[in-house]
Amino acid sequence: NFMLTQPHSVSESPGKTVIISCTRSSGSITSNYVQWYQQRPGSAPTTVIYEDNHRPSGVPDRFSGSIDSSSNSASLTISGLKTEDEADYYCQSYDGGLVFGGGTKLTVL
Amino acid sequence: QVQLQESGPGLVKPSQTLSLTCTVSGDSIISGSFYWSWIRQPAGKGLEWLGRFYSSGYTNYNPSLMSRVTISSDTSKNQFSLRLNYVTAADSAVYYCARGALEMATVWGRGTQVTVSS
Repeated sequence: NFMLTQPHSVSESPGKTVIISCTRSSGSITSNYVQWYQQRPGSAPTTVIYEDNHRPSGVPDRFSGSIDSSSNSASLTISGLKTEDEADYYCQSYDGGLVFGGGTKLTVL
Repeated sequence: QVQLQESGPGLVKPSQTLSLTCTVSGDSIISGSFYWSWIRQPAGKGLEWLGRFYSSGYTNYNPSLMSRVTISSDTSKNQFSLRLNYVTAADSAVYYCARGALEMATVWGRGTQVTVSS
């Protein structure tokens, strides 16, 4: 079993770029896909990245995902930040079942 | 376009059984293309995967809850259900059903709040 660790919160200004990390505690980050979900207050999560770096249709190309085997982590990069990007973001991977990170609160101020 | 809708009692007494149903439209739960999961989120906390169902009848569960969780299906209604036994206040949460491939949950329902209280 492994855990996914995310920063509790990040903040950045509109128009800037933010990177949210997700570190896998054991086993290789490349062993299983990583997904990223956005959850706005009072709403259900929606997928912004799947299979490490793929965007569902309708998700702007300001959102991108990557994997870094040297740090055993995945990252979600959001460029050209907008106030509407303010939300909680969760990474998720697989260990015979779905494993979620603790979530990162993104503040755009 | 697939849609999922959770339904069930919003209030359950401690030690009783929580029962929820997910009704699926726009896809068949027995198509064999996807896994159908239950995920919950206590107020102000993160997401926890509970378990899932596959069209072949295969199910698997979060080991931390396996002794209390059962997921079943009603293919005639295109629904799948969650039962969680012996609930406590710690089981109070928003419960989501979701569809996804083997390693993910890409389409989610809107969620339903369940409170455990006497």
